[in-house]
Amino acid sequence: DGGITQSPKYLFRKEGQNVTLSCEQNLNHDAMYWYRQDPGQGLRLIYYSQIVNDFQKGDIAEGYSVSREKKESFPLTVTSAQKNPTAFYLCASSIIGGVEPQHFGDGTRLSIL
Amino acid sequence: AQKITQTQPGMFVQEKEAVTLDCTYDTSDPSYGLFWYKQPSSGEMIFLIYQGSYDQQNATEGRYSLNFQKARKSANLVISASQLGDSAMYFCAILINTGTASKLTFGTGTRLQVTL
Repeated sequence: DGGITQSPKYLFRKEGQNVTLSCEQNLNHDAMYWYRQDPGQGLRLIYYSQIVNDFQKGDIAEGYSVSREKKESFPLTVTSAQKNPTAFYLCASSIIGGVEPQHFGDGTRLSIL
Repeated sequence: AQKITQTQPGMFVQEKEAVTLDCTYDTSDPSYGLFWYKQPSSGEMIFLIYQGSYDQQNATEGRYSLNFQKARKSANLVISASQLGDSAMYFCAILINTGTASKLTFGTGTRLQVTL
């Protein structure tokens, strides 16, 4: 079954620590995205990538970093520079062009210890 | 920049009744797509329905239909014959494809509660 796998489901971060959220897809999609969702809010775009080894900042990229070494994988690192990292993080993928919907993973909930 | 406005933070509907969730959008791009997603309490985003800016007819998918009024820049979601399992957050989103990027902008969502 094709889909997007995010891990872990829950993650805890200590002050000053970097943590990495995993996102893997087997849908053969070229584009991948990371969103942040705060309580009572919609999704905000952190980073996106349309091709391997290339990615662009979204609306709230500060304090985050990404890599795209493989088509299937788009990990997100929440760095210590992100002062308010507690949120729900969603990864998505889509084909490029047209108006196909983005497909989402089940999300990772990140909390500060 | 694109913007989605959902003015109903919460809605209640009785089981088997129809409900309309409001969505208005703002964009200067003539080509765009409008999406509705459902987010249950478990957190995943489930795609429900899509409407293209050039589509002449309103989109329908089973119990979901999209009331698209282009001149008023509105794209309301209509759920017919509500079920208890429809209780969730619902997000409206607009997609702009620039050729080098396809970016979704989401509204703040409407929480729907279906009652007996």
